[in-house]
Amino acid sequence: GNSVTQMEGPVTLSEEAFLTINCTYTATGYPSLFWYVQYPGEGLQLLLKATKADDKGSNKGFEATYRKETTSFHLEKGSVQVSDSAVYFCALRSSGGSNYKLTFGKGTLLTVNP
Amino acid sequence: DAGITQSPRYKITETGRQVTLMCHQTWSHSYMFWYRQDLGHGLRLIYYSAAADITDKGEVPDGYVVSRSKTENFPLTLESATRSQTSVYFCASIPPGQGSTGELFFGEGSRLTVL
Repeated sequence: GNSVTQMEGPVTLSEEAFLTINCTYTATGYPSLFWYVQYPGEGLQLLLKATKADDKGSNKGFEATYRKETTSFHLEKGSVQVSDSAVYFCALRSSGGSNYKLTFGKGTLLTVNP
Repeated sequence: DAGITQSPRYKITETGRQVTLMCHQTWSHSYMFWYRQDLGHGLRLIYYSAAADITDKGEVPDGYVVSRSKTENFPLTLESATRSQTSVYFCASIPPGQGSTGELFFGEGSRLTVL
């Protein structure tokens, strides 16, 4: 079955530091890959996505590249801000079929200090 | 744009009681989902629904019941609550026609504590 493994947190950085959150996956076929973010007290919201190999998703200064050869989708940001403090979830959805279920990783808590 | 509304946002109940968490969406999305979020487990799918009157089990369905008599509502019922069901519950939906690449829209969550 599908699975997502992401680095365990918590991750604590200073403002303007470089961020990497690792994510690897197991799936058959060609899944779509997602990063969701959860700010304190809120539901999850889509941060970025990539739907095929070598695609790069980007949003709000965050980037992730779909690497099929390494089954990875690592999240990066060159200079984090205090407002980026949140929980980040890597997720995948299988291609084909009709159930549209998302499989999530366990989440990584990021805290950015001023 | 109300989106997805969950109620109650916070609930404390006792072991053995029945609890229903409500989810209402204003977009007429076909697919709806219930996830639970627990420390160390991330989000796990409880049940999902492709349309009114069509529901199916997810990863952790035991102890839960769902119904979908109307497209916009997807209530989750704990028939006899247990302490292990203490969690934060999220309802989500996906717009029609977006297929496997579509974005999932989440409610704000319902925090349930079972004493």
